Amino acid sequence: QVQLEQSGPEVKKPGSSVKVSCKVSGGILGTHGVSWLRQAPGQGLEWIGGVVSAFGRENYAQRFQGRVTVVADESTSTVYLELRDLTSEDTAVYYCARDWPRLGGPFDYWGQGTLISVSP
Amino acid sequence: DIQMTQSPSSLSASVGDRVTISCRASQSVSTYLNWYQQKPGRAPRLLIYATSRLQSGVPSRFSGGGSGPYFTLTISGLQPEDSATYYCQQSYSSPATFGRGTRLEIK
Repeated sequence: QVQLEQSGPEVKKPGSSVKVSCKVSGGILGTHGVSWLRQAPGQGLEWIGGVVSAFGRENYAQRFQGRVTVVADESTSTVYLELRDLTSEDTAVYYCARDWPRLGGPFDYWGQGTLISVSP
Repeated sequence: DIQMTQSPSSLSASVGDRVTISCRASQSVSTYLNWYQQKPGRAPRLLIYATSRLQSGVPSRFSGGGSGPYFTLTISGLQPEDSATYYCQQSYSSPATFGRGTRLEIK
């Protein structure tokens, strides 16, 4: 059974970093990728990047390049999103989702979401 | 990046109605077009992938179509639980991009 369980909400200061976890089950990491997406309050969905652990491959949206890292820990079946140099514009609900080896969707299983608030 | 333009941004319809939501890509995405439903406070749910393929467990009143840069999501026989925001998404090229959403209200 495929499940993605995310870590809890966090409040961060501008300029700091955040690390969000996504524990996956159902053998996802051996056959699929995991992507991270976010949704700012009242806004639409935005793809951040993802990892295909089985192929050792990562891909990120250009606008996040240099301040984002997605890594998979196969020993704990957990995928992490680290976002650095936070600003108020990073306030959003962050989702992990099962992806395909080429990354970029369709996203058929989702985590429950993690609210990250960035405030002075 | 490929821009996805949805229309309308919102609509209201009655139970039993048939509604169509449109999505246009700024360039070709072949058939790599997906549709999601999202209810307040919930994660999105995949409804349709590869333009017209119904995701497992999704009611058959949902259907997708289109070709070239123009795609549609049709809901036939609206139900109260279809009240939600619907997003199209292209998975043709990186980065994956979404439309801005269509909010559907059931009268």
